[in-house]
Amino acid sequence: GAVVSQHPSRVICKSGTSVKIECRSLDFQATTMFWYRQFPKQSLMLMATSNEGSKATYEQGVEKDKFLINHASLTLSTLTVTSAHPEDSSFYICSASPRQGTNYGYTFGSGTRLTVV
Amino acid sequence: AQSVTQPDIHITVSEGASLELRCNYSYGATPYLFWYVQSPGQGLQLLLKYFSGDTLVQGIKGFEAEFKRSQSSFNLRKPSVHWSDAAEYFCAVVPPRGSGAGSYQLTFGKGTKLSVIP
Repeated sequence: GAVVSQHPSRVICKSGTSVKIECRSLDFQATTMFWYRQFPKQSLMLMATSNEGSKATYEQGVEKDKFLINHASLTLSTLTVTSAHPEDSSFYICSASPRQGTNYGYTFGSGTRLTVV
Repeated sequence: AQSVTQPDIHITVSEGASLELRCNYSYGATPYLFWYVQSPGQGLQLLLKYFSGDTLVQGIKGFEAEFKRSQSSFNLRKPSVHWSDAAEYFCAVVPPRGSGAGSYQLTFGKGTKLSVIP
């Protein structure tokens, strides 16, 4: 089945630094990737949708200059948290779809626990 | 507001007992429906999905779900729960086309935490 690899699984960084999270589709080409944020004991909130080769579409309230998303290839999308602050600490999850459309399903990465100290 | 609702925040069942997790949606038309499971600190695993056709859907790990249009529900069931089923369960939808919501984007319910008593 489709596999999405997300790396790193955990990261601790100092306030003010930037952190990059990678999301790779291992055995399929992901036309569309989604980035979610999950607060403790809460649901997943969609942050942005990225399509290969184009700019990401951010959800309302998500700062695009803070959460930089790059989807330069059909197998890799990255989320960079710039100038991280403690309030950015959260669980970030990506998902990927072979093409835009639900018939092909969504596969999720295993998530990244970001802690900003 | 158009949304997906999981009324139960936390459910506790004994091992071997049956399970039903509730999910309701509020859209004018039938959305695409999904159930995912999340173990602590992990990503999400798809249990099953419904697009159309047979309203009783079989999934992995012995789970099934039944779509009921009249109740706008898509409840998840399992006849006999195992201790390893303890996790967080999320119902998710992709809104129907023309509903005004973002296309192809999953919207999640708040989740139901399942605890299993040995």
